[in-house]
Amino acid sequence: AQSVTQPDIHITVSEGASLELRCNYSYGATPYLFWYVQSPGQGLQLLLKYFSGDTLVQGIKGFEAEFKRSQSSFNLRKPSVHWSDAAEYFCAVVTYNQGGKLIFGQGTELSVKP
Amino acid sequence: DAGVTQSPTHLIKTRGQHVTLRCSPISGHKSVSWYQQVLGQGPQFIFQYYEKEERGRGNFPDRFSARQFPNYSSELNVNALLLGDSALYLCASNGGGSNSPLHFGNGTRLTVT
Repeated sequence: AQSVTQPDIHITVSEGASLELRCNYSYGATPYLFWYVQSPGQGLQLLLKYFSGDTLVQGIKGFEAEFKRSQSSFNLRKPSVHWSDAAEYFCAVVTYNQGGKLIFGQGTELSVKP
Repeated sequence: DAGVTQSPTHLIKTRGQHVTLRCSPISGHKSVSWYQQVLGQGPQFIFQYYEKEERGRGNFPDRFSARQFPNYSSELNVNALLLGDSALYLCASNGGGSNSPLHFGNGTRLTVT
């Protein structure tokens, strides 16, 4: 069965520091992978997606993620974090022909220190 | 363009009651999916509808049901509410394909007392 693991429940970084959020997936074929961000009391906003091709994908708000098949990982990165990036981040995978059935990780809460 | 809209935003119900949550997808999107997000966890898939047909169902009891209307809006119904049904219920829409990202609404916060 497909699954997504986000090993870090909570991460704190200083404003201006770099950020990497980890995501590992379990899926037999090439997955479609996503990162979403959720602010308190809000829905989820899509940051970026990977379907195929270039394994380094760029997203909104200066985020990027790298797909590494050998490690079954899709880590999210940002070179310089802003205070407004504090939120919950979710990694998700979708199975082929099940376009509405995303499987989410448990999320990583990001806090930003001034 | 309007995004995915959900109503109501907040709801308080008593155990045993039923509830109906509503969702309007982004214009042009024919697929609607429902997710339950319990506090501190990632969203869990409940249903997907495409062109008014159920395309998928998650591991939820029969107390949960949904439907999609000709205008592609959708309702999620939950009967015989339990305390454990308290959650944020998210609706999402997309074009229907696996490579069509889901766009989420802000959710309905359901509290069961």
